[in-house]
Amino acid sequence: QVQLVQSGTEVKRPGASVKVSCKTSGYTFSNSGISWVRQAPGQGLEWMGWINTYNGNTNYAQNIQGRVTMTTDTSTTTVYMDLRSLTSDDTAVYYCARATNWNYALSHWGQGTLVIVSS
Amino acid sequence: DIQMTQSPSSVSASVGDRVTITCRASQGIATWLAWYQQKPGKAPKLLIYGASDLQSGVPSRFSGTGSGTDFTLTISSLQPEDSATYYCQQASSFPPTFGPGTKMDIK
Repeated sequence: QVQLVQSGTEVKRPGASVKVSCKTSGYTFSNSGISWVRQAPGQGLEWMGWINTYNGNTNYAQNIQGRVTMTTDTSTTTVYMDLRSLTSDDTAVYYCARATNWNYALSHWGQGTLVIVSS
Repeated sequence: DIQMTQSPSSVSASVGDRVTITCRASQGIATWLAWYQQKPGKAPKLLIYGASDLQSGVPSRFSGTGSGTDFTLTISSLQPEDSATYYCQQASSFPPTFGPGTKMDIK
């Protein structure tokens, strides 16, 4: 079965970077991309971006473009999301989700990774 | 960006009730709409895609309709396990955007 397993909770200082991993299994890695969605405490869902796991092409939301990088490791079928220059506004649960393209529904989700940004 | 609104923001209903949630897009999105269910502390779960297609494994009491700007999610007979927050999401125009959510409680 399709599984997306994310890395654990991170606590970071303002200005630092965080790298969250998403290990996939149960399907052909290069056939389906990965989107990242975040959810601040008590808030709704915010789409961050999508990576094509076949060729590494990315689409990022404008409000975080320049601070985010999404990459893949095909040897381990893992996707990474790197977010830089963290502020308290980046405190959220970060989810990876399987999506054939940026405009496809998010069919399978990881369990979420809590990132806390605090001085 | 396309703005998504949902109504009501919260609803309380009894087991067995028929419940409808509405989602509206700020501009036409054809049928590029998905619905998700999220329970506290859990990741969202895809219920409906393409406005009306039921995701595999989702109970048939969930259904979706609509096109253009107005969409509905209906639960035909509410069950205790349906207590959750429901989000709509458009994917017609970049970037994809979500509605603010509708919290559903069981009386």
